[in-house]
Amino acid sequence: QKEVEQDPGPLSVPEGAIVSLNCTYSNSAFQYFMWYRQYSRKGPELLMYTYSSGNKEDGRFTAQVDKSSKYISLFIRDSQPSDSATYLCAMSVYGNNRLAFGKGNQVVVIP
Amino acid sequence: DTGVSQDPRHKITKRGQNVTFRCDPISEHNRLYWYRQTLGQGPEFLTYFQNEAQLEKSRLLSDRFSAERPKGSFSTLEIQRTEQGDSAMYLCASSSGEGTTYETQYFGPGTRLLVL
Repeated sequence: QKEVEQDPGPLSVPEGAIVSLNCTYSNSAFQYFMWYRQYSRKGPELLMYTYSSGNKEDGRFTAQVDKSSKYISLFIRDSQPSDSATYLCAMSVYGNNRLAFGKGNQVVVIP
Repeated sequence: DTGVSQDPRHKITKRGQNVTFRCDPISEHNRLYWYRQTLGQGPEFLTYFQNEAQLEKSRLLSDRFSAERPKGSFSTLEIQRTEQGDSAMYLCASSSGEGTTYETQYFGPGTRLLVL
């Protein structure tokens, strides 16, 4: 079992829809949770970071962490064609800089 | 602040050849990381430097791989006797090195390697 599981299935949504992405993890030592966005043939860029259970909002993006269920989510409201990218969840342990990534979800927002 | 840069952006080589990639981190970032990303997968950690010291290496980093960070600035990743399975995107990231807990890692554009 991989440390971080992310169903890699592609997701196509119409513009304006809510995009919902999620990851599960097995390592209970993970304390820092991130979502990265990766455009085609580019490096990942940090979208959101959180370390506590609960919700964190940043504009149209909401990150949700449930440590008891080892489950994290990312919601994108009012999706735009410019949101079309691969979204990667990533996690790390306190005091260790190694990031463990999920496989990523390719999201396509159709105008 | 020009971001993390990597060179070359693309490399095509024949099996058995040696290749070397370069990463220039964000200036004054003390920590530097190498990851490998294959098609349809997330990045996988390879190794990590704090200044010039290589502090952690993944099991993925076989004996054919070597990384250096002389003088704690740019880093090189060399792959000797390349194999077709080495074909991947090699990503470099850096972080400030000032934190004791979480630090944002900033990624470069990657070097895409194709081994024929």
